[in-house]
Amino acid sequence: NAGVTQTPKFRVLKTGQSMTLLCAQDMNHEYMYWYRQDPGMGLRLIHYSVGEGTTAKGEVPDGYNVSRLKKQNFLLGLESAAPSQTSVYFCASGPLGYEQYFGPGTRLTVT
Amino acid sequence: DQQVKQNSPSLSVQEGRISILNCDYTNSMFDYFLWYKKYPAEGPTFLISISSIKDKNEVGRFTVFLNKSAKHLSLHIVPSQPGDSAVYFCAARGYSGGSNYKLTFGKGTLLTVNP
Repeated sequence: NAGVTQTPKFRVLKTGQSMTLLCAQDMNHEYMYWYRQDPGMGLRLIHYSVGEGTTAKGEVPDGYNVSRLKKQNFLLGLESAAPSQTSVYFCASGPLGYEQYFGPGTRLTVT
Repeated sequence: DQQVKQNSPSLSVQEGRISILNCDYTNSMFDYFLWYKKYPAEGPTFLISISSIKDKNEVGRFTVFLNKSAKHLSLHIVPSQPGDSAVYFCAARGYSGGSNYKLTFGKGTLLTVNP
């Protein structure tokens, strides 16, 4: 099993550009999550999904959109990137809201 | 409003000694608590958890203690090893209706185990 994979691993964007981060899991988990990690801030929840076709806002959802068209995939979109979105993004999946299994992260820099 | 707090940004311990990492929370509705370990340039990995109906859970060298009345939990690592050097995150599970469970994370504690 690959577990949770994230694409891409690194990306540099200019302000105003858009991009989509892809998360895939092969553990048949219902729950999927997107977090961002910033220095001194821990992990903050952006959006999450409790099943295929459903999404919900987390703690810091502004500037991001998500979609969960297939159970195994959870996409995070930035429509117009801003320097404040420079961060490391982690995707996670888990069964029924218990332990979460994290991907390796995507390091995004917005200039 | 930080619901899960790890007040020590860093902790340094000698190899073989006990490491104690602490976590406080404010929301009495949290029902499940977890510890994650994170190495640089990697995603966090699940370490150990405890339900709110228990006060202790032990897995190998790792023990988590929960004091509900004090809204406090701690992670004990005995004996500490250099490979335990990492950032440790405390997390608490909250329920917000329907199937909506989510974790709230602390800011993390950097543990350094010196040989």
